[in-house]
Amino acid sequence: DTGVSQDPRHKITKRGQNVTFRCDPISEHNRLYWYRQTLGQGPEFLTYFQNEAQLEKSRLLSDRFSAERPKGSFSTLEIQRTEQGDSAMYLCASRQEMNTEAFFGQGTRLTVV
Amino acid sequence: KQEVTQIPAALSVPEGENLVLNCSFTDSAIYNLQWFRQDPGKGLTSLLLIQSSQREQTSGRLNASLDKSSGRSTLYIAASQPGDSATYLCAVLNTGGFKTIFGAGTRLFVKA
Repeated sequence: DTGVSQDPRHKITKRGQNVTFRCDPISEHNRLYWYRQTLGQGPEFLTYFQNEAQLEKSRLLSDRFSAERPKGSFSTLEIQRTEQGDSAMYLCASRQEMNTEAFFGQGTRLTVV
Repeated sequence: KQEVTQIPAALSVPEGENLVLNCSFTDSAIYNLQWFRQDPGKGLTSLLLIQSSQREQTSGRLNASLDKSSGRSTLYIAASQPGDSATYLCAVLNTGGFKTIFGAGTRLFVKA
């Protein structure tokens, strides 16, 4: 499978715990995005990487959220001190150039109890 | 600030019907527009990408049009099938920006 891969697919955590998600983009894609989606809504932009550089962050990305892409390949999204409002689907996407299609992974569904 | 609206929010049609989904955006300075399909609990599947210089794109039974000046795009689905039942999302990439702005989607149900 050469698509965008996300791990884990599902995560249930207790409020206050830290969680980390991983995204492996399509190998030749140097542009990587994280989105959050809640039920009945479209995905909301969280952050964008071009290679290893984080070029844009949404105001949705509070201090408890951090994303990295250390070698310009896979990326991680960490949420510290999770809250019930963090429950959502976290989606990763990649694209090769700005004028090419963005491809999405299957997402990580986070449930904070 | 770019805003993307999709109408209708939900649509139920009998199998075989041709249908049109609508997407409107407030800022016409877009780089491209992409249509996606999302099945319940799944990620997004890319359907069609239209560059700002293009008027339409076709793939199989799908045809997407773009009128940048009026801030509108339509997704036409011909001869709908129950397997087309899903949520359809449109997303725009602004000129000079990095992020893609999504609409809330249209939930389509095709009855057999």
